[in-house]
Amino acid sequence: DAEITQSPRHKITETGRQVTLACHQTWNHNNMFWYRQDLGHGLRLIHYSYGVQDTNKGEVSDGYSVSRSNTEDLPLTLESAASSQTSVYFCASRDSGNTIYFGEGSWLTVV
Amino acid sequence: GESVGLHLPTLSVQEGDNSIINCAYSNSASDYFIWYKQESGKGPQFIIDIRSNMDKRQGQRVTVLLNKTVKHLSLQIAATQPGDSAVYFCAFDAGTYKYIFGTGTRLKVLA
Repeated sequence: DAEITQSPRHKITETGRQVTLACHQTWNHNNMFWYRQDLGHGLRLIHYSYGVQDTNKGEVSDGYSVSRSNTEDLPLTLESAASSQTSVYFCASRDSGNTIYFGEGSWLTVV
Repeated sequence: GESVGLHLPTLSVQEGDNSIINCAYSNSASDYFIWYKQESGKGPQFIIDIRSNMDKRQGQRVTVLLNKTVKHLSLQIAATQPGDSAVYFCAFDAGTYKYIFGTGTRLKVLA
């Protein structure tokens, strides 16, 4: 079955380190998204992509970057991890009917 | 914004009873609405969707009702089962590829 997978599922890193969270989908969806989910907040959009070589900033993009070199992957990079970036991160992709499907999440702790 | 975890409103229902979870949205131009279920430690899972040209849509044990006049969305779960225990939240489109995720509700099914 087609799916969307994230790795790592859990990671602890130190302040200032660069961290990359991987996202891979096998649905061949053009639109992909990264969200973070925190206590007291809903899902907040970090970055999104309409297709290969296209990336766009979401509402909480500071300190994050993405790249889209192929349809299947949208890795999220934290350039210099900060404690405020401790969160659960969800990758998602959108089908032609506008439905967004989420991965299982990546739990990141910055110490 | 949405609250996740300890600060979520909670709906407790007896096993076998029907559950109704509500959501208000703010954008009168929204055309597409989705309900998600999120179990602890997992990503949001698509349940059912509805477009603005409809006021009711039924799935397996679930029904979504849309009242555009008062900008209200509800999810009805028939014969609630223990496996339905989760956080439920709505989402609605707020422009091209942008989605707003509503306040989550924790559903607890009592045996």
